[in-house]
Amino acid sequence: GAVVSQHPSWVICKSGTSVKIECRSLDFQATTMFWYRQFPKQSLMLMATSNEGSKATYEQGVEKDKFLINHASLTLSTLTVTSAHPEDSSFYICSARVEAGGSDTQYFGPGTRLTVL
Amino acid sequence: AQSVAQPEDQVNVAEGNPLTVKCTYSVSGNPYLFWYVQYPNRGLQFLLKYITGDNLVKGSYGFEAEFNKSQTSFHLKKPSALVSDSALYFCAVRAPGDDKIIFGKGTRLHILP
Repeated sequence: GAVVSQHPSWVICKSGTSVKIECRSLDFQATTMFWYRQFPKQSLMLMATSNEGSKATYEQGVEKDKFLINHASLTLSTLTVTSAHPEDSSFYICSARVEAGGSDTQYFGPGTRLTVL
Repeated sequence: AQSVAQPEDQVNVAEGNPLTVKCTYSVSGNPYLFWYVQYPNRGLQFLLKYITGDNLVKGSYGFEAEFNKSQTSFHLKKPSALVSDSALYFCAVRAPGDDKIIFGKGTRLHILP
């Protein structure tokens, strides 16, 4: 099946620094990738939809200048948390949409746990 | 706007018994429906989906789900539960023509040995 990887799997950073999270589709090309945020014991909240070669579409309430998304190729999207603060600590999950061959499914990465001190 | 409801925060089932995890949805048009499972500190694993066709959908690990249009439900089922099925289960919906998948709040399934 389709595999999505994320790097790093966990990161600890100091308040005020920036952190970049990578999301890769390993065995398929994804024109659309998604970034989610999950708080403990809660559901996934969609942050933004990322289309290759164009600007990301952010959900209401998500600061686009704080959560920078780049989708430079069909297999890579990155999320950069700029000037991170403790309230940004969360589990960040990306997903990639597969539409080829009549299939239309999202496959998820393993997630990145961000802890901001 | 589309939405998904999972009315149960937790479901407890004895090993070997059948299990059901409930899901209802609200969407304009014909929905795309999904079930995902999440193990601790892990991403989501795809279980099954309904787009069109047979209302009974079979997925991974022996799970299946039944699409019921009149009741706007998509309950997840398994005939015989395993302890290893214990995890967090998410139902999700996507409206036709939309990129976004909207998730329910999740149901924690606890299989008792």
